[in-house]
Amino acid sequence: GEDVEQSLFLSVREGDSSVINCTYTDSSSTYLYWYKQEPGAGLQLLTYIFSNMDMKQDQRLTVLLNKKDKHLSLRIADTQTGDSAIYFCAERASGGYQKVTFGTGTKLQVIP
Amino acid sequence: GAVVSQHPSRVICKSGTSVKIECRSLDFQATTMFWYRQFPKKSLMLMATSNEGSKATYEQGVEKDKFLINHASLTLSTLTVTSAHPEDSSFYICSARGRTGGSYEQYFGPGTRLTVT
Repeated sequence: GEDVEQSLFLSVREGDSSVINCTYTDSSSTYLYWYKQEPGAGLQLLTYIFSNMDMKQDQRLTVLLNKKDKHLSLRIADTQTGDSAIYFCAERASGGYQKVTFGTGTKLQVIP
Repeated sequence: GAVVSQHPSRVICKSGTSVKIECRSLDFQATTMFWYRQFPKKSLMLMATSNEGSKATYEQGVEKDKFLINHASLTLSTLTVTSAHPEDSSFYICSARGRTGGSYEQYFGPGTRLTVT
């Protein structure tokens, strides 16, 4: 079955870059997503990448995909205190209901 | 962007009672809706998937008689937690998938925090 893994915690200083990593097992994934969840809130879609792309950049966010190694990363440039949240990567299966499987989440703490 | 709402956002109920959570897609038709459960400091666990007008498909380990899902229309799905117990306390998040702007995407609701006392 699908399995998505992330490191649990990341701490960075304000202004530095943050890199959150994710590994997945389903090689047939069509889309890979990054979501942000602030305390007590729902999920906010940050960005996504098609499985046939290597990189996608959107303002301060850069997504890198290494399909061979099944590794996805999210880089946040010039990290701000408002970026403190839990970040989930997720993969979308290609068959069936195309269900989305979430990673374990990485808590990003930004130190002023 | 597409909006998915949930109601209520927070509910406290007594053990043994049933609670209904609504999920609505406000500006698109959701052919498929998903219900997730999130335990504290944990990831989202998919509970079930439903298509409009058909029975929900439950993930392994999720009791269908405990968590009743109804997807009556293309804009509304409901999750009813029957005979709730304290261990059912959790954050429930729905997601709706439909065609918006030429592609099928999945959008998440803001979540419902259920506390069973």
